[in-house]
Amino acid sequence: KAGVTQTPRYLIKTRGQQVTLSCSPISGHRSVSWYQQTPGQGLQFLFEYFSETQRNKGNFPGRFSGRQFSNSRSEMNVSTLELGDSALYLCASGSPGLASNEQYFGPGTRLTVT
Amino acid sequence: AQSVAQPEDQVNVAEGNPLTVKCTYSVSGNPYLFWYVQYPNRGLQFLLKYITGDNLVKGSYGFEAEFNKSQTSFHLKKPSALVSDSALYFCAVSSDYGQNFVFGPGTRLSVLP
Repeated sequence: KAGVTQTPRYLIKTRGQQVTLSCSPISGHRSVSWYQQTPGQGLQFLFEYFSETQRNKGNFPGRFSGRQFSNSRSEMNVSTLELGDSALYLCASGSPGLASNEQYFGPGTRLTVT
Repeated sequence: AQSVAQPEDQVNVAEGNPLTVKCTYSVSGNPYLFWYVQYPNRGLQFLLKYITGDNLVKGSYGFEAEFNKSQTSFHLKKPSALVSDSALYFCAVSSDYGQNFVFGPGTRLSVLP
């Protein structure tokens, strides 16, 4: 079974631009969560999607948004990029999206904002 | 609100010695507890979880963890450390209230040859 895939793996953007990251969950998984990982703040939860609906959201500004498609693939968008958005963005999938189920993580997208 | 503490930023242990990485948690409802490991430039890999049942949970790569409800702890252990165990370890919690995962700050484990 293929794991969670994220594209692109690396990205360099300049301040003010926007970026879209993609995540394909494990086949059959319907829950996709996004996390931001930085050295200073650790792993911070961004949002979770389940069956195309945002089910939970972390404490991030509205510049951070996401969506999920009918095939469970998910995209995350960050608009008006700031230097502080430089981070490793991790996507995790789970089935059937219960709190008791482990999440499976992708390799991440390393975003650098200059 | 849920929270996870990993009181040690760094743990150093000699190869062959037992290792412990500490985790304490706070959660409303029944806790679901997880350990993940992250190798450099990689995503997180699931090691083990506690949902219910035996307090001692066995996971991947010879790791185990002990759930202690009275101390609200879920320490990760391994009887004999390997150099290849050197990585960043994260403890996480969710609950039957349907809340999402909350991760601890991580503990860097260094196993010295």
